[in-house]
Amino acid sequence: GDSVTQMEGPVTLSEEAFLTINCTYTATGYPSLFWYVQYPGEGLQLLLKATKADDKGSNKGFEATYRKETTSFHLEKGSVQVSDSAVYFCALSASGGSYIPTFGRGTSLIVHP
Amino acid sequence: DTGVSQNPRHKITKRGQNVTFRCDPISEHNRLYWYRQTLGQGPEFLTYFQNEAQLEKSRLLSDRFSAERPKGSFSTLEIQRTEQGDSAMYLCASSLGGGTGFYEQYFGPGTRLTVT
Repeated sequence: GDSVTQMEGPVTLSEEAFLTINCTYTATGYPSLFWYVQYPGEGLQLLLKATKADDKGSNKGFEATYRKETTSFHLEKGSVQVSDSAVYFCALSASGGSYIPTFGRGTSLIVHP
Repeated sequence: DTGVSQNPRHKITKRGQNVTFRCDPISEHNRLYWYRQTLGQGPEFLTYFQNEAQLEKSRLLSDRFSAERPKGSFSTLEIQRTEQGDSAMYLCASSLGGGTGFYEQYFGPGTRLTVT
C-alpha cells in the first residue's frame, strides 16, 4: 500500500540555519503530496502541498518540490526561526476522491536562539 | 469561526469501559474525519462523513468502534470495551467537500485517551 518515510528526529538547529527534512514515498499512480505542521499544543495544520510532478509547494518560507523520479518531497527552509519549532509530517493522498492523507511518522524540529 | 473543537481533551478510563468523544466541526464544513495518532506515529485515518453519511471506514475501525454524525453537524466516536491498545490521541478534522477537488482539512486539538 501507499506509504511515506521521513527522516527521524529530532532535528536540532540554531536560528537562521538551513533546514532540510527528507521525505520519500511509495504509491501507485500519481499521488498528491503534503507537508503538515503541528505546533506545541495546537492542532495539525496544512503547511504546503503539490499535486503533480515538478510542482513546488511553498508557504511561510518553506518549500518542497514534487520529484517523481526520486519519489521525494523534501521540505526546506533557508533560515529557520525559533517559532518554527514543531513536528512536521509528510503525507500523500490519491488524487481525486476524498484526498484522505497517509501520514509519515513526523519529524520534530527544535530551533535554538 | 472558532475552529474544530473536541471534547473531552483528556480521558482516562479502565480497561473494559466504554468511552465517547465528541467533535464539533467548523460550521459550514460538510465533511468530518476521525484519525488516531499513537506516540511517535503520524495520524491514521479511521473514518469520514459527508453530511450525515459515513462514506469510508478504515480497517483500523474494529467492531468496538462506532462513529455517528446524526444531523450532519457534530460527530461522536464511541469505543466499547476499551483495551490498553486503544490508548492514543483521537483527532477530528473537518473540511468543505464535494466532487473530486482538494479541500483543506482543519484539525482539532485532539482527545487523549489513556486506558489503564
